[in-house]
Amino acid sequence: QLQLQESGPGLVKPSETLSLTCTVSGGFISSSSYYWGWIRQPPGKGLEWIGSMDYGGSTYYNPSLKSRVTTFVDTSKNQVSLRLTSVTAADTAVYYCARTGEFGEFLRWFDAWGQGTLVTVSS
Amino acid sequence: DIVMTQSPDSLAVSLGARATINCKSSQSVLYSSNNKNYLAWYQQKPGQPPKLLIYWASTRESGVPDRFSGSGSGTDFTLTISSLQAEDVAVYYCQQYYSTPHTFGQGTRLEIK
Repeated sequence: QLQLQESGPGLVKPSETLSLTCTVSGGFISSSSYYWGWIRQPPGKGLEWIGSMDYGGSTYYNPSLKSRVTTFVDTSKNQVSLRLTSVTAADTAVYYCARTGEFGEFLRWFDAWGQGTLVTVSS
Repeated sequence: DIVMTQSPDSLAVSLGARATINCKSSQSVLYSSNNKNYLAWYQQKPGQPPKLLIYWASTRESGVPDRFSGSGSGTDFTLTISSLQAEDVAVYYCQQYYSTPHTFGQGTRLEIK
């Protein structure tokens, strides 16, 4: 069964870079036709899509975050990663990784989610 | 961006009764070439990630109880729980995947009356 697990620092200082990793088990990122996305949820608020990428490096980012976001895949570790630069308190959220796409199609739903990790931006 | 607006923001329904949640998109999410509505529904319980319930507006994800159903087309969609169970207490979100960026509704909190 596919499992996704986010990891990374729970506290980041303002203006620094947020870095998270999602480890995928129960399936190989490189052998699938899926995309791997990042979604965040500020405490008590709704969901915001950050971006998605496939193992081949095709990426799609939310324009509202595009200038600060980078995602990449490490197929040797079966991991996808997120970097968000120049963070502020507004970036405080639970960050989820999720599987999306179908047969290589990007515009699809998110059918498997990690448990999420809370990142707080504070000095 | 396509704006997704859900109504109501919160809803209290008696056990065994029907619950109806609405979702309206700021533009049509019906793709004419395949006649599919690019809309999904999720359930999120406290402390848990969202769980996919419905995709293509009306297709139930594997393992989702059949008391959950989705309907609608174009810009107006509905999630219906035919007979509310205690375990259905959650926040429900709609999501459009017609175009990037993917966008979600603000959520509807469902409680037991």
